[in-house]
Amino acid sequence: DADVTQTPRNRITKTGKRIMLECSQTKGHDRMYWYRQDPGLGLRLIYYSFDVKDINKGEISDGYSVSRQAQAKFSLSLESAIPNQTALYFCATSDNTDTQYFGPGTRLTVL
Amino acid sequence: AQSVTQLGSHVSVSEGALVLLRCNYSSSVPPYLFWYVQYPNQGLQLLLKYTSAATLVKGINGFEAEFKKSETSFHLTKPSAHMSDAAEYFCAVTSGSGNTGKLIFGQGTTLQVKP
Repeated sequence: DADVTQTPRNRITKTGKRIMLECSQTKGHDRMYWYRQDPGLGLRLIYYSFDVKDINKGEISDGYSVSRQAQAKFSLSLESAIPNQTALYFCATSDNTDTQYFGPGTRLTVL
Repeated sequence: AQSVTQLGSHVSVSEGALVLLRCNYSSSVPPYLFWYVQYPNQGLQLLLKYTSAATLVKGINGFEAEFKKSETSFHLTKPSAHMSDAAEYFCAVTSGSGNTGKLIFGQGTTLQVKP
């Protein structure tokens, strides 16, 4: 079984809808991250969490929110989706060595 | 603020040829440095990392990278490309010196391998 899982893997939604992307990990890591990937821009950090009670904004947090329900679970929400949030979203985890381990990604399309 | 630049968004090589993917970082204080690979429809996978030990770092699948402080570079190489190396490659650096908990990624370089 994969160490970092993301659901759903693909999602098509409409402008204005609320969307939640979920991430679970079995690596026992405290640190978790959400990124979005856009062609030519690499990965940009949306939110990160160093433990269950710690939530921090990344460089592009506007329009997104997160919830750290447990050490193993970190969810990303789009309260009111807009077309420029169409992207590939990745969850990652890390121990305290800075090496990050990525999930398979969620491809989100907002029409 | 730390930044990382990958020179060339697309690199094309013939099978068996040398692979060279370039990465430069901005800080005068050496960060930790990473190379990740992303195969189609997959997440990122760690190839190798530099954490202030040996400057020549060997990774998986025959890749290696050399940290050069004077050039603020961490270029990725492989002596002989295989078709299976076709993927997107990302260079990443820690946001400060050493263990900061955050990575900054380059824009990515797509490697094409021609038969």
